[in-house]
Amino acid sequence: GNSVTQMEGPVTLSEEAFLTINCTYTATGYPSLFWYVQYPGEGLQLLLKATKADDKGSNKGFEATYRKETTSFHLEKGSVQVSDSAVYFCALVSGGYQKVTFGIGTKLQVIP
Amino acid sequence: NAGVTQTPKFRILKIGQSMTLQCTQDMNHNYMYWYRQDPGMGLKLIYYSVGAGITDKGEVPNGYNVSRSTTEDFPLRLELAAPSQTSVYFCASTGGMAYEQYFGPGTRLTVT
Repeated sequence: GNSVTQMEGPVTLSEEAFLTINCTYTATGYPSLFWYVQYPGEGLQLLLKATKADDKGSNKGFEATYRKETTSFHLEKGSVQVSDSAVYFCALVSGGYQKVTFGIGTKLQVIP
Repeated sequence: NAGVTQTPKFRILKIGQSMTLQCTQDMNHNYMYWYRQDPGMGLKLIYYSVGAGITDKGEVPNGYNVSRSTTEDFPLRLELAAPSQTSVYFCASTGGMAYEQYFGPGTRLTVT
């Protein structure tokens, strides 16, 4: 079956530090890949996505590149802000019915 | 558009009680989902629906039931609540292939 592996965290960074959250996946076929973000007390919302190999998704300074050869979709940001503190979920969709497989989520804490 | 709305926001149930979590979306999406989120466990799919009148089990369906009589509504029924059902429940919808999932704000349920 499909699976997504990501670091559990928490990850604690100082403001303006570089962020990487690793995500690797196992899937049949050609999955679409997503990063979702969950702010405290809220539901998940899409951060970025990539639908085919070598695509780069980007949004709000975050980037991730779909690497088929390494089955990875690592999330990066060059300079984090306190407002980026949240839980980040890597996810994939493969096959019918649009069922999403989520990673366990990585909590990010950014301190001033 | 209100997007995906869920009621109630919070609920405390006694063991053995029943309740229905409501979910409504106004985006005319065919696909709808119910997830539960437990600390450190990511999201687990309970049930999903690919259209009115069609539902199917996800990873953790035991203790829950769903129905989908309209495109807009996808209620989740808990019969005979148990402490193991203490969790945060999210409803989501999507319009189709590789589209993002839109999440409701969640229902925090405690069973004591």
